[in-house]
Amino acid sequence: KAGVTQTPRYLIKTRGQQVTLSCSPISGHRSVSWYQQTPGQGLQFLFEYFSETQRNKGNFPGRFSGRQFSNSRSEMNVSTLELGDSALYLCASSFEATGWGDTEAFFGQGTRLTVV
Amino acid sequence: GDSVTQMEGPVTLSEEAFLTINCTYTATGYPSLFWYVQYPGEGLQLLLKATKADDKGSNKGFEATYRKETTSFHLEKGSVQVSDSAVYFCALKRSARQLTFGSGTQLTVLP
Repeated sequence: KAGVTQTPRYLIKTRGQQVTLSCSPISGHRSVSWYQQTPGQGLQFLFEYFSETQRNKGNFPGRFSGRQFSNSRSEMNVSTLELGDSALYLCASSFEATGWGDTEAFFGQGTRLTVV
Repeated sequence: GDSVTQMEGPVTLSEEAFLTINCTYTATGYPSLFWYVQYPGEGLQLLLKATKADDKGSNKGFEATYRKETTSFHLEKGSVQVSDSAVYFCALKRSARQLTFGSGTQLTVLP
């Protein structure tokens, strides 16, 4: 069974540009979450999608957005990039059967974004 | 809101030493608890989990017990190996929608 696939693995962008990151979840998983990992702030929750609907959003500015497609693949977009957006962006998928949080999240290898 | 507090690192041990990484949490209700491990340049891998009080999660020689009375989920291993060198994250999940992570503990095991 293929794992969570994130593309691209590495990106270098210039301040002010925008970027789109992609995540393909494990087959059959309908919940996809995104996290930002930085040395200073650690792992922070960005948003979660289930069946194309955003159900939860973390405390990030509106420049960070996402969407989920009918095949459960997800994209996140960051507009007007700032130096502080440099981070490892991790996507996780889970098979949500009960909604009670007992199912584990499986993570991709991440996309390393560097803003210069 | 929910929070997870982990033992400050880095932690350096000799091979075959005993490992404990402390983790305590604050959350309402009955969260599920997890330990994830991150190797250099990689994403997070689930190490073990526990979904209710007194549950013991175990995997690859690592263990952690869900202690509701002390709101803790400490990670232990009886004999660490060099290959266990990584960053370890404690996390909780109160709904299916998001994980709340601790700050991570860097473990280095010397031969």
